[in-house]
Amino acid sequence: NAGVTQTPKFQVLKTGQSMTLQCAQDMNHNSMYWYRQDPGMGLRLIYYSASEGTTDKGEVPNGYNVSRLNKREFSLRLESAAPSQTSVYFCASSELGAGRSPLHFGNGTRLTVT
Amino acid sequence: EDKVVQSPLSLVVHEGDTVTLNCSYEVTNFRSLLWYKQEKKAPTFLFMLTSSGIEKKSGRLSSILDKKELSSILNITATQTGDSAIYLCAFYFIQGAQKLVFGQGTRLTINP
Repeated sequence: NAGVTQTPKFQVLKTGQSMTLQCAQDMNHNSMYWYRQDPGMGLRLIYYSASEGTTDKGEVPNGYNVSRLNKREFSLRLESAAPSQTSVYFCASSELGAGRSPLHFGNGTRLTVT
Repeated sequence: EDKVVQSPLSLVVHEGDTVTLNCSYEVTNFRSLLWYKQEKKAPTFLFMLTSSGIEKKSGRLSSILDKKELSSILNITATQTGDSAIYLCAFYFIQGAQKLVFGQGTRLTINP
């Protein structure tokens, strides 16, 4: 029962470094999402992929890129990390899309940019 | 801007108490409302109510949608220490671009 798996769990970057957060789901869901969670601000959508081969911007896409590698995998890339990107990042998937069926979340990646 | 506001932001009660958490929204055109519980890591799904639905129940937890007041409440009766968590609500709006918007969350602490 893996569900949604994110790697790494923790990461520390210096300003300007790049990295990719990996996400994979084994539930055969069509839709996948990347959120960030900051204190007092709830979850904010960065990018999403409604189906394999498509990606769209969410509320806070600046500074990020995504790749929907196949139906299972959806990665998030920070090209040049900034301290403002210090956050907890969650990947999620949904069978029918957010709003039609629940989101299933991974355990998160805690990213610190110094 | 579509907005979802939760209250209170933080709540501390004793085991056995009943709590009511509130989630209000500022846009009337929505498809569904979802509640999640977040303990240490990933949020886990509790309820989904559609705009045509009114109440859902699961054990000690229940959620009601009040379309007149543009809000939803999550009730937890006979609270237990295991109910301590952050509770998140989210509305799926269908005005303009369809999107799921989360509230800030309510941090609930149950003391023994």
